Amino acid sequence: NAGVTQTPKFQVLKTGQSMTLQCAQDMNHNSMYWYRQDPGMGLRLIYYSASEGTTDKGEVPNGYNVSRLNKREFSLRLESAAPSQTSVYFCASSEPGHSPLHFGNGTRLTVT
Amino acid sequence: GNSVTQMEGPVTLSEEAFLTINCTYTATGYPSLFWYVQYPGEGLQLLLKATKADDKGSNKGFEATYRKETTSFHLEKGSVQVSDSAVYFCALSRPNAGKSTFGDGTTLTVKP
Repeated sequence: NAGVTQTPKFQVLKTGQSMTLQCAQDMNHNSMYWYRQDPGMGLRLIYYSASEGTTDKGEVPNGYNVSRLNKREFSLRLESAAPSQTSVYFCASSEPGHSPLHFGNGTRLTVT
Repeated sequence: GNSVTQMEGPVTLSEEAFLTINCTYTATGYPSLFWYVQYPGEGLQLLLKATKADDKGSNKGFEATYRKETTSFHLEKGSVQVSDSAVYFCALSRPNAGKSTFGDGTTLTVKP
């Protein structure tokens, strides 16, 4: 079972470069999420998609855009990377209601 | 708004010691409560959950009881092992709210 797959695993960018983080899930979940994890700050929600065709801002959306391409895929784009976006990014999916989140293994991004 | 407060870490224990990680929450309505575990270099994975007051979640020797009167969901294990070394996150979600709220995480190190 693949679960939630994120690519790439590691990435180094220079300030101002752009990139897209990819995420796909094979559990037929309706909801998908992007989080960033920084030391001492836990997990912070960037964007989420409650269902195919909808996206909403989370706590820290500035500097990011998302696309819910279909039910399986939810991508996160950095248009002009900044050093403050150095972080570990996690994609997750779930069913609505009392269901837990299923996480990918993360993308470790460094912006120099 | 919703919030989760976890016991600050790091926590260092000897093998076979008793573990408690405190978690309290603030939420409207009737949230579900979760403990997730993150091993080095991996994403978060569900450890246990409880969906209503007085429910006890359990898994791999870990337990937590949903206490509505004290708004708490403390994680306990009677005898920790070196392999339990990880970061533990307490979280809540409300049905149809679209997103989860996480604590900042508690790092546990178990020494042989």
